[in-house]
Amino acid sequence: SQQGEEDPQALSIQEGENATMNCSYKTSINNLQWYRQNSGRGLVHLILIRSNEREKHSGRLRVTLDTSKKSSSLLITASRAADTASYFCATRAGGFKTIFGAGTRLFVKA
Amino acid sequence: DVKVTQSSRYLVKRTGEKVFLECVQDMDHENMFWYRQDPGLGLRLIYFSYDVKMKEKGDIPEGYSVSREKKERFSLILESASTNQTSMYLCASRGFDGNQPQHFGDGTRLSIL
Repeated sequence: SQQGEEDPQALSIQEGENATMNCSYKTSINNLQWYRQNSGRGLVHLILIRSNEREKHSGRLRVTLDTSKKSSSLLITASRAADTASYFCATRAGGFKTIFGAGTRLFVKA
Repeated sequence: DVKVTQSSRYLVKRTGEKVFLECVQDMDHENMFWYRQDPGLGLRLIYFSYDVKMKEKGDIPEGYSVSREKKERFSLILESASTNQTSMYLCASRGFDGNQPQHFGDGTRLSIL
């Protein structure tokens, strides 16, 4: 079964609005990562948050991690049409494996 | 910036053919990965390599093999291609520290006819 599961599966918003995507996972983790994928391309790393961190920022991105609830959220503020992409959370519990969720498809309307 | 290069963006092969997908990274990373991505299933790990000539099976290794003769190159081999191996294949690399992110290539969209 998937370790990370994103919610919602798809999200459509207007340019300028904020977009929030959630990720839940099942087991203890070392870190949680968020990636972005434009259509037909590879994944691009956005943010990595370690298990002992609660919040991290990078430009218009804000990631929170709640290890007690085994959940994370990715907030994109003031979204732009260029933010249209799929967003994946990925968790690393130890060993070599990083487990990816099925992703949230974000569509930002201009 | 780390660059991970996959040899083909699109590839069409016939059932029963032996197919080679090549991946090269330029950052001297120890770890390299092959995933396949299918709609609704996310990324599934096929094989992982942590050093030259070293490999570990991922979640779906059946029908695939890998080769890592040089640190920068990790090849995925479909021994006898089948239609259910039609998919997007993604290669990634990562340094030794597990708290580093993975860096992905642009993917190879493989169609088996």
